[in-house]
Amino acid sequence: KAGVTQTPRYLIKTRGQQVTLSCSPISGHRSVSWYQQTPGQGLQFLFEYFSETQRNKGNFPGRFSGRQFSNSRSEMNVSTLELGDSALYLCASSLSSGHWGDEQYFGPGTRLTVT
Amino acid sequence: DQQVKQNSPSLSVQEGRISILNCDYTNSMFDYFLWYKKYPAEGPTFLISISSIKDKNEDGRFTVFLNKSAKHLSLHIVPSQPGDSAVYFCAVTNTGNQFYFGTGTSLTVIP
Repeated sequence: KAGVTQTPRYLIKTRGQQVTLSCSPISGHRSVSWYQQTPGQGLQFLFEYFSETQRNKGNFPGRFSGRQFSNSRSEMNVSTLELGDSALYLCASSLSSGHWGDEQYFGPGTRLTVT
Repeated sequence: DQQVKQNSPSLSVQEGRISILNCDYTNSMFDYFLWYKKYPAEGPTFLISISSIKDKNEDGRFTVFLNKSAKHLSLHIVPSQPGDSAVYFCAVTNTGNQFYFGTGTSLTVIP
């Protein structure tokens, strides 16, 4: 079956703009989690959505938000972009909330560059 | 405030030898520990995990060791192969809540 897909794969934005990233989970998966990967901080958890509801949230400012649709597809939005938001944004899907390890599948990521 | 630290950003090992990747965490409440492998342009893939009730878990060439008193876990790869060259992330969780990842260690296995 098809894996987790993320669009776009690459994105360049300028400071102050906003951006929306999309994640389509594996068919049948209802949980989508988002992560930010930067060289200095590694992978950091942003939030998790399950059945259109945010279940868990990491320690990121309110400029980072997300939502999930009834078909389990999820979007992540970052408003008022800052240079430090340049990162690889990964999403991961699993059948249900709170499943980790081999039950969680990552997409290839969206590389966001803020200039 | 880093909950998980991987103090070695990179590691080089000869093919056939042992690779040891280390990870330290801060909170004794974490009860599940994982290792992921990441190739360039791909998302991380799950490698191996261990729960806090164990101190060792083995899967083929990969073994994870957990030392709860030292809040330390390590991944051993024996024997190392060139295809193992990747970035390895450790991750910890208090089950059902958040994930915390380390900063990653880039492993290069030299043929």
